[in-house]
Amino acid sequence: EPEVTQTPSHQVTQMGQEVILRCVPISNHLYFYWYRQILGQKVEFLVSFYNNEISEKSEIFDDQFSVERPDGSNFTLKIRSTKLEDSAMYFCASRGGTVLNTEAFFGQGTRLTVV
Amino acid sequence: AQSVTQPDIHITVSEGASLELRCNYSYGATPYLFWYVQSPGQGLQLLLKYFSGDTLVQGIKGFEAEFKRSQSSFNLRKPSVHWSDAAEYFCAVGAIAAGNKLTFGGGTRVLVKP
Repeated sequence: EPEVTQTPSHQVTQMGQEVILRCVPISNHLYFYWYRQILGQKVEFLVSFYNNEISEKSEIFDDQFSVERPDGSNFTLKIRSTKLEDSAMYFCASRGGTVLNTEAFFGQGTRLTVV
Repeated sequence: AQSVTQPDIHITVSEGASLELRCNYSYGATPYLFWYVQSPGQGLQLLLKYFSGDTLVQGIKGFEAEFKRSQSSFNLRKPSVHWSDAAEYFCAVGAIAAGNKLTFGGGTRVLVKP
C-alpha cells in the first residue's frame, strides 16, 4: 500500500540552527501539506503546496519557514533559525489530483526537539 | 473560517463496551469530514470520511460515523471497543475552497479498561 514517508523520525537541534524535514509523498499525488502538533495540542495546518508553489499558508508559517519540492519526489520543510517553540511533531501529508479526491494521507511524523 | 470542536478531552471505556466520540464543526458550506486516529508515537491514520451521500459512513476497525447537518455534528461510534482502540482520535473538516487543508479538533484520548 502506498504511503507517505518522513525522515528523520526524530531530530534534535540547537536553537538558532537550520533544520530540514523531509517527506516523500505518494507518487501520483499532486497536493502536499505540512502540519504540526505541539505536544498536547491540536494538529495545526502550516502550508499547502500545489503545482510547485505555495497555495496557502497559515500565520504560523512565517519567514523562518520554507518548503520545496526539489526533485519531483521529495517535499521538504526548512526552518531557518529554530526556536524553542518550534519543538513539535511535524506531519507531512499528500493528496491525489482530483477535486473529489479529498483524502489526505499522513506520514508518521518527525519529532523535532529544539534545545 | 472552519472550526472543529471535540467536547470530550478524555473518555474511559471498558473493553467490550460501546464508544461514542463527539465532534461538532463550523463551516459555511457542505464540509468534508474525517476521523483520524493516532496511536502513541504514531502518525495519523484515517478511520473514515464523509463527502456526500449516505450520512452514515463505515470505516476501518469497526468504526462508523454519522453526519447530521442540522446539528453540525459528525460523531464517531464503535459498538464494542477492543483494548487496541486506546488512542487519540481527531475529527477534522476540510473544504475545497480552502485547498482542502484540514482543520482539526483538539482530539479525544480514549482509555480502555480491561
